[in-house]
Amino acid sequence: GDSVTQTEGQVALSEEDFLTIHCNYSASGYPALFWYVQYPGEGPQFLFRASRDKEKGSSRGFEATYNKEATSFHLQKASVQESDSAVYYCALRGGDTNAYKVIFGKGTHLHVLP
Amino acid sequence: ETAVFQTPNYHVTQVGNEVSFNCKQTLGHDTMYWYKQDSKKLLKIMFSYNNKQLIVNETVPRRFSPQSSDKAHLNLRIKSVEPEDSAVYLCASSSGTGYEQYFGPGTRLTVL
Repeated sequence: GDSVTQTEGQVALSEEDFLTIHCNYSASGYPALFWYVQYPGEGPQFLFRASRDKEKGSSRGFEATYNKEATSFHLQKASVQESDSAVYYCALRGGDTNAYKVIFGKGTHLHVLP
Repeated sequence: ETAVFQTPNYHVTQVGNEVSFNCKQTLGHDTMYWYKQDSKKLLKIMFSYNNKQLIVNETVPRRFSPQSSDKAHLNLRIKSVEPEDSAVYLCASSSGTGYEQYFGPGTRLTVL
């Protein structure tokens, strides 16, 4: 079945560091790919999505490019801030019979130190 | 205010009791979801409704039952809770087969 694999566990960075959280997927066709962010005590928030090869999604300084050949959708940010500390989820929405089902990765805990 | 609202925020109960959680969205969406999030922040979809019709029903114990009165409301009932039901239950909605999902703040359930 469809699946999403992302950088596991915790990532610790200092402010102004460059961030990459890896996300790879397994699905047929062209699944829609998403990034969500969850701050403590809140539900996940949609960051952005991409639906076709080479499409770039971006929001709040974060970006990711749909790469069908590499089956990847890595999240990047040039200069992180302490306020970016949160859990980040890569997600996939399959096509056709799986269109109502979004599969989330296991989440990556980002800690940004001042 | 347009958003996804969940009640209660927290609920503590004993093993074997019945609990109900409520979810309402004012975004005009036609698809709603229930997710379970464990202590490691793992998100797992439980149910999905589109226009009051059950679309996705993952393998969850039969003591869990969703209820939808209209496309803006989706409740979750747990009959006879177990310790492993302790988790945060998140409600979400989206437009159609969408696209982005909008989540509520969650209901934290603790089963003693």
